[in-house]
Amino acid sequence: AQKVTQAQTEISVVEKEDVTLDCVYETRDTTYYLFWYKQPPSGELVFLIRRNSFDEQNEISGRYSWNFQKSTSSFNFTITASQVVDSAVYFCALRLSGAGSYQLTFGKGTKLSVIP
Amino acid sequence: DTGVSQDPRHKITKRGQNVTFRCDPISEHNRLYWYRQTLGQGPEFLTYFQNEAQLEKSRLLSDRFSAERPKGSFSTLEIQRTEQGDSAMYLCASSLGRGNQGYGYTFGSGTRLTVV
Repeated sequence: AQKVTQAQTEISVVEKEDVTLDCVYETRDTTYYLFWYKQPPSGELVFLIRRNSFDEQNEISGRYSWNFQKSTSSFNFTITASQVVDSAVYFCALRLSGAGSYQLTFGKGTKLSVIP
Repeated sequence: DTGVSQDPRHKITKRGQNVTFRCDPISEHNRLYWYRQTLGQGPEFLTYFQNEAQLEKSRLLSDRFSAERPKGSFSTLEIQRTEQGDSAMYLCASSLGRGNQGYGYTFGSGTRLTVV
């Protein structure tokens, strides 16, 4: 069975600080997808990124960057120059790519509070 | 059609009553998913439809839960004889998938159920 661990339950940073959210996953499958979602207080899960297990290139999108390392089974998320609008709960998720398996396995989330 | 719609947003019910939630996915999406999220936890998979066929069900989906997707469009999730442990946010998601490819999941804002 697969598992996603987000060890940081809550993080508080002052605006403009950089912050990294950790994600460690477990799976015996060699092909899978990894995701990050943002859940603001409104409750809707907002898709941020999907990464295929074959693609270990790091990705940057504006102030967001992701570091995927298969050797340590980690898929960490960094926000540079954090803003108050970044305050939310962030979830890391895993989906196997085998036939017939479409469910996402989520971590418990990390609540990020950005203090002005 | 700008996203996944869920109705109602909030539902308060007495223990033992039946409740039904509705999800309208993005119109061109053939896959639809239900998840349950309790306080402080990540979403947990309940069930998945491809068009009108229910292809995957979690062990979390007890016999008091039933989901349908008639005509492969909107979906309903019914909980019979509600219990206090059913109190949670029920999230619906949809995606456009061909074969084993998953092209990003779009989540709705959820229905928050409170059983008193």
